[in-house]
This record gives sequence, C-alpha cells and structure tokens, in this order.
Amino acid sequence: DARVTQTPRDKVTEMGQEVTMRCQPILGHNTVFWYRQTMMQGLELLAYFRNRAPLDDSGMPKDRFSAEMPDATLATLKIQPSEPRDSAVYFCASGPPSGRIHEQFFGPGTRLTVL
Amino acid sequence: DAKTTQPPSMDCAEGRAANLPCNHSTISGNEYVYWYRQIHSQGPQYIIHGLKNNETNEMASLIITEDRKSSTLILPHATLRDTAVYYCIVKIFGNEKLTFGTGTRLTIIP
Repeated sequence: DARVTQTPRDKVTEMGQEVTMRCQPILGHNTVFWYRQTMMQGLELLAYFRNRAPLDDSGMPKDRFSAEMPDATLATLKIQPSEPRDSAVYFCASGPPSGRIHEQFFGPGTRLTVL
Repeated sequence: DAKTTQPPSMDCAEGRAANLPCNHSTISGNEYVYWYRQIHSQGPQYIIHGLKNNETNEMASLIITEDRKSSTLILPHATLRDTAVYYCIVKIFGNEKLTFGTGTRLTIIP
C-alpha cells in the first residue's frame, strides 16, 4: 500500500535552530504539498510543487521558511531560524498526475516543538 | 473558492448512518464539493467528491441538493473508527489548493 512518508515524526528544538523536515511522496506522484496545522489556525497550505517546480508558496513566511524538491522522491521544508510560533504539525501530501487526480494523499505529519 | 459552513460537532450511534451536512450557498457552477476527514493524530484522508450528481464509493455517499447550495456526506454504517473531524471543501477542479475550514467533529458512540 503506497504511502507518503515523513521524517522526523517528532522534533523538539530550541529557538534559533535550523529545522529540516523531509517528505517522500508516493512513487509516480508529481505534485507535492506542504501544510501546517495549529490549534489556532487549523490546516493551512504553505507551498506546493508540480514536477519538482514550485507553483505556489504564498502561504509560507519567506524570511525563514524554504521548500525544495531536490529530486522526485524527496521534498524538504526548512525553517531557519526556528521560532516558538513555528510549533505545529507539518503535513506533506502528494497527488498523482492521472487517475485519482482529485485526491491528495497525506503523510503522517511531523510534530515540531520549538522551545 | 466558495465558503462552506459545517456544524462544529455531531454524535452518532455506532452502526447507524452518520449524516454530515455542509452549506455552500455561494458555490459556483464549476466548483466541486470535496470531503476529507482527519482521524486523531493522522493526516487528512480523502473521502469523496462530486459536482452535481450524487456519488457513492466504498467509504461514503455524497448527496448534493439540486441547487447545489448544500450537501450531505453519509457514512452508512458508522463504526468507532469513523470518529474524526470531517472537512467539506469547495473548489474548482484544476485548482489544487485545498482550503480547510474548521470541519465537523464526528464522535461515534458505542
């Protein structure tokens, strides 16, 4: 059963440290999304890629966040420097180029705590 | 994308049908209705989508009113594993951005 994987599952870090979250989309999926979920804001789209090219990162704080897809099997979300307000669960999702194109398949999330 | 309104919470007895309403009175003709759910501590999961016809799959049924201003997600025989937050989302097909609202927290009662 193909799934989106995310690492790490949990991350605790101190303010000012760099954080890198990784996502492996389902093999063959060409669209990758990054979402953030907090109690206050709910689920928000940060950025998404198609065929490794960034299509929209308007939801992402540009000064400290960056998202990349070094290759088709890896997407990264980096925060530098991290702040306590970045504490959230970060979800990656991927979407297929054909077939079940209406669906986004979500990973289990990375729970980030910035102290 | 059109705004949606859902009740914040609902209960349903195990084995009964769970009917989750969604109001989307400003929906446009080219906007689809999508349903996702999020089980505690997991990522959201796609359930079903539709444009104007009623739809059914292995998970649920989607009933869209004729004027398309509201819809109902039906879980025919709810189990405890269906306890989750259910999100109704309206968006244009081809616009890949999902905008999640606050959803309905469905609790299945044993």
